Amino acid sequence: IVLTQSPGTLSLSPGERATLSCGASQSVSSNHLAWFQQKPGQAPRLLIYGASSRATGIPDRFWGSGSGTDFTLTISGLEPEDFAVYYCHQYGSSPQTFGQGTKVEIK
Amino acid sequence: QVRLQESGPGLVKPSETLSLTCTVSGGSVSSANHYWSWIRQPPGKGLEWIGYIYYNGTTNNYNPSLSSRLTISVDRSKNQFSLKLSSVTAADTAVYYCARDSWDATTWYSLDYWGQGTLVTVSS
Repeated sequence: IVLTQSPGTLSLSPGERATLSCGASQSVSSNHLAWFQQKPGQAPRLLIYGASSRATGIPDRFWGSGSGTDFTLTISGLEPEDFAVYYCHQYGSSPQTFGQGTKVEIK
Repeated sequence: QVRLQESGPGLVKPSETLSLTCTVSGGSVSSANHYWSWIRQPPGKGLEWIGYIYYNGTTNNYNPSLSSRLTISVDRSKNQFSLKLSSVTAADTAVYYCARDSWDATTWYSLDYWGQGTLVTVSS
């Protein structure tokens, strides 16, 4: 399954809302879709699993939604630590695949 | 707290075999609710799933793009799992991450714990 993320880069100011999209080339099995955040020099961190469930310790400003082939990650009110690269990941079909990433940068 | 730590050579010659080990602490590779996974990331690029193994060693799942060169194994006595990738080329240069893939009776949680990653460069 090919995952296509848009936009490639999102330029926003702290406090603004970020909306990131992930489109799948075919339906993601059982909505097994996750979102990861990656900062420079660090490993990815799990934010969302099952399309809409927040992982342990993830602030409630991070929201996942969607089903089938269209998924969205929303960050309501960007904090300085949220500027990073975000990847969607489908784990319902083999091979597991990742999107190419969306960079959220400070405007 | 579960921790994963990759170890292995940072430089491998073309055509040779890349070998990495992931040591798990604060948890057990013998847990029934986890797959033990490898993911890689070429410098400046995105993430690629390599594959995983189950604690019993008889269940594994490899990315078809790598499967002919790939072996993932588990050593329960050392609480480690390993990756071997043969016949490497410059295209295999990447940061290699080990990670835990978790589920329970009702939910598959995906990759919830990751190692810090280790850069492997393929060069003569």
